[in-house]
Amino acid sequence: SQQGEEDPQALSIQEGENATMNCSYKTSINNLQWYRQNSGRGLVHLILIRSNEREKHSGRLRVTLDTSKKSSSLLITASRAADTASYFCATDARGTSYGKLTFGQGTILTVHP
Amino acid sequence: DGGITQSPKYLFRKEGQNVTLSCEQNLNHDAMYWYRQDPGQGLRLIYYSQIVNDFQKGDIAEGYSVSREKKESFPLTVTSAQKNPTAFYLCASQMDRSSYNEQFFGPGTRLTVL
Repeated sequence: SQQGEEDPQALSIQEGENATMNCSYKTSINNLQWYRQNSGRGLVHLILIRSNEREKHSGRLRVTLDTSKKSSSLLITASRAADTASYFCATDARGTSYGKLTFGQGTILTVHP
Repeated sequence: DGGITQSPKYLFRKEGQNVTLSCEQNLNHDAMYWYRQDPGQGLRLIYYSQIVNDFQKGDIAEGYSVSREKKESFPLTVTSAQKNPTAFYLCASQMDRSSYNEQFFGPGTRLTVL
């Protein structure tokens, strides 16, 4: 079963706008990761946030984690057409084998030039 | 795609045939993983291996088999017992068993059963 549920399923914005994607999960985690997938390609790791962290930044990306609500958000600021892709959250659940990630169904982001 | 190669990129199989998907990494990573992705869906874990000569079933292992004879190689065999094998297959590796490492993905193999 999928640990992560992502919202929205699809997001369409104009270049320059911010994009926010949300992920909810069910069990306690060691960490939560965000990945990006361009159509028909492999996944690329974006950012990892540990369970004891609340916020993390990487360039135009900002990730927050609220373990009390079992949720995370990914914010992409000043979006570009090249950000068009699917974005997945993945959780490393506590008590399972390390590195055994469970992925959400993803958010499809379309950025219009 | 970070030092992980998958071949072939596209694979066509007739019903009843076994096929083997290749995954090789030159990152010296201990752990390797196989995922299946169906259209519009997230990834589901098929098998994973954290050290050579050892592997574990993931969430959807039925109809699949793997081997890990070498650190750099983790081939996946899709057997005739897999009822709906048409999908996009992704291989990944991770440095070690630590829970604080990212996974690196290959470019994927798209398998179609005719």
